[in-house]
Amino acid sequence: SQQGEEDPQALSIQEGENATMNCSYKTSINNLQWYRQNSGRGLVHLILIRSNEREKHSGRLRVTLDTSKKSSSLLITASRAADTASYFCATDRSGNTGKLIFGQGTTLQVKP
Amino acid sequence: DTAVSQTPKYLVTQMGNDKSIKCEQNLGHDTMYWYKQDSKKFLKIMFSYNNKELIINETVPNRFSPKSPDKAHLNLHINSLELGDSAVYFCASSRNPQGAGANVLTFGAGSRLTVL
Repeated sequence: SQQGEEDPQALSIQEGENATMNCSYKTSINNLQWYRQNSGRGLVHLILIRSNEREKHSGRLRVTLDTSKKSSSLLITASRAADTASYFCATDRSGNTGKLIFGQGTTLQVKP
Repeated sequence: DTAVSQTPKYLVTQMGNDKSIKCEQNLGHDTMYWYKQDSKKFLKIMFSYNNKELIINETVPNRFSPKSPDKAHLNLHINSLELGDSAVYFCASSRNPQGAGANVLTFGAGSRLTVL
């Protein structure tokens, strides 16, 4: 069964606004990762948060993880038109299987 | 230099045909993957090879056969193509998911397969 579910499925904001995307998952994890996919391209790794971490920052990205609720959020601050893409969370489950399970993604549109 | 490259980028073929997609990575990674992304962007793992050995084989029809001649290459051959095989197939690689550290994937640009 699919591990991650993103919410919302689609998000449209104006340039300069913040964008928040949420991800829920079902099983225990080693870490959770966020990836970005531009239209017609492959996925690109953005940020990783381990199961013993609660918050992580990278540039304009802020990721939180709540293992008790089995959820994560990705915040993009001061969005730009170039941030328009689909964003996926992926979970690396406990047991070190080497298998990343992806959600269905949130499609973000940032209007100039 | 492209880190993970896959060919062809587009493939249009008739039902019943056999086709192959090739993937190569120049990152020195030990593990390679095939993922399938459907029209709703749902991304699902199909196979994973670590140093030429199959380590993940999801519930995939046996019409799909991966082959890894060396750890830098992972090809995907599909027999008797069906309409439902239409999707974008992504190759990816990672350093070593079963060692210490996290399993971060580097993806290729994708191969869009259309079965008519």
